[in-house]
Amino acid sequence: QVQLKETGPDLVQLTQTLSITCTVSGFSLTTYNVHWVRQPPGKGLEWMGAMWNGGGTDYNSAFKSRLSISRDTSKSQVFLKMNSLQTDDTAKYFCARTTGDWFAYWGQGTLVTVSS
Amino acid sequence: DTVLTQSPALAVSPGERVSISCRASEGVNSYMHWYQQKPGQQPKLLIYKASNLASGVPARFSGSGSGTDFTLTIDPVEADDTATYFCQQSWNDPYTFGAGTKLELK
Repeated sequence: QVQLKETGPDLVQLTQTLSITCTVSGFSLTTYNVHWVRQPPGKGLEWMGAMWNGGGTDYNSAFKSRLSISRDTSKSQVFLKMNSLQTDDTAKYFCARTTGDWFAYWGQGTLVTVSS
Repeated sequence: DTVLTQSPALAVSPGERVSISCRASEGVNSYMHWYQQKPGQQPKLLIYKASNLASGVPARFSGSGSGTDFTLTIDPVEADDTATYFCQQSWNDPYTFGAGTKLELK
């Protein structure tokens, strides 16, 4: 069955770089698109960007200057890297797979706290 | 960016019908999707492309609308439906979500 799982640090220091891995199973990254969505504690959802099945990427312009998404298809992994972290980057980070343009499958998310 | 506006909270009694609205700041065709999120969990897809029921979702949930005005309806509401409901559009770049409607049961 389709599964996504995020792994990353619980704590990141202010101004440092965040790296999260999304490991998927039950489908191929060359067939489906995988997106990153984040949710600050007690707040709403924010789309960050996407890794398209063809290998291209798309980013929310709110993050474009400091966000990078990449993948390793041989390991079925999608990577998120975001630099210059601030306290308002504290959030749960989800990876999600689309079917069409909607998020049909989600990982459980990983909570990242940015500490000063 | 396309702003999606939802009412912040609703309270209904079990067995009643509830409609949750989502208004877009610009047209999104039928590319509006609905999710349910319970505390500590990931969102769950309920409705895609305005009115299509996602796999495994009870028929108590339905969606309608096009253009800028959309509605998620739950009829009848059950105790397990206590959650926050988000709309999301994928017609305009970037994808955006509504702030969520928290549904409480009386």
